Amino acid sequence: EVQLVESGGGLVKPGGSLRLSCEASGFTFGTYSMNWVRQAPGKGLEWVSSISSSSSYIYYADSVKGRFTISRDNAKNSLFLQMHSLKAEDTAVYYCARGTGSGYQMLWGYSDYWGQGTLVTVSS
Amino acid sequence: SVLTQPPSVSGAPGQRVTISCTGSSSNIGAGYAVHWYQQFPGTAPKVLSYDNDNRPSGVPDRFSGSKSGTSASLAITGLQAEDEAYYYCQSYDSSLSNSVFGGGTKLTVL
Repeated sequence: EVQLVESGGGLVKPGGSLRLSCEASGFTFGTYSMNWVRQAPGKGLEWVSSISSSSSYIYYADSVKGRFTISRDNAKNSLFLQMHSLKAEDTAVYYCARGTGSGYQMLWGYSDYWGQGTLVTVSS
Repeated sequence: SVLTQPPSVSGAPGQRVTISCTGSSSNIGAGYAVHWYQQFPGTAPKVLSYDNDNRPSGVPDRFSGSKSGTSASLAITGLQAEDEAYYYCQSYDSSLSNSVFGGGTKLTVL
């Protein structure tokens, strides 16, 4: 059974940093692209970042470019999102999701499995 | 949103409803695939249709995706109370070089 479990969310002040983790199980993690998608309270889904299976391709939404860094450790079946210079508008539930696309075309694919999400609240 | 969805749709049990997703020549119209998700409040999204008109195993055949020109649609037939949820379309936009979601549609079963 595919499982994705996010952790690392919490309350942080504006300008602060936070590192999200996503532990994967039930599939060969190192052969899939992975995505982060967020959802602000009461709002819709927003794609945040994607990373290819071997980390060769990495993409970010303009809203987080330069502030967020996606990475993965295939040996530990883990995905990460390092977030810096956090703003109030980054407040959201952050979902880790398995991607179906590969290589430079991975953004054309969809997310077939999702974690339960972790809440990030940016507030003073 | 780059992909435009109606904020809400509604229908009576047993009826057929469609949810539209309108894009442009840089996303749906460029031939990029459209995917659809269902989300219940407080839970993670679940894929209902992928690559325009494919249904994952386990998804009832009451749900069907389609695409034409710069738009896509999700049709739900034989509407049931448990279909009441939010629905999102997703595609790729070449102008933004981003994956993009529609704003979401709340389906109410009357």
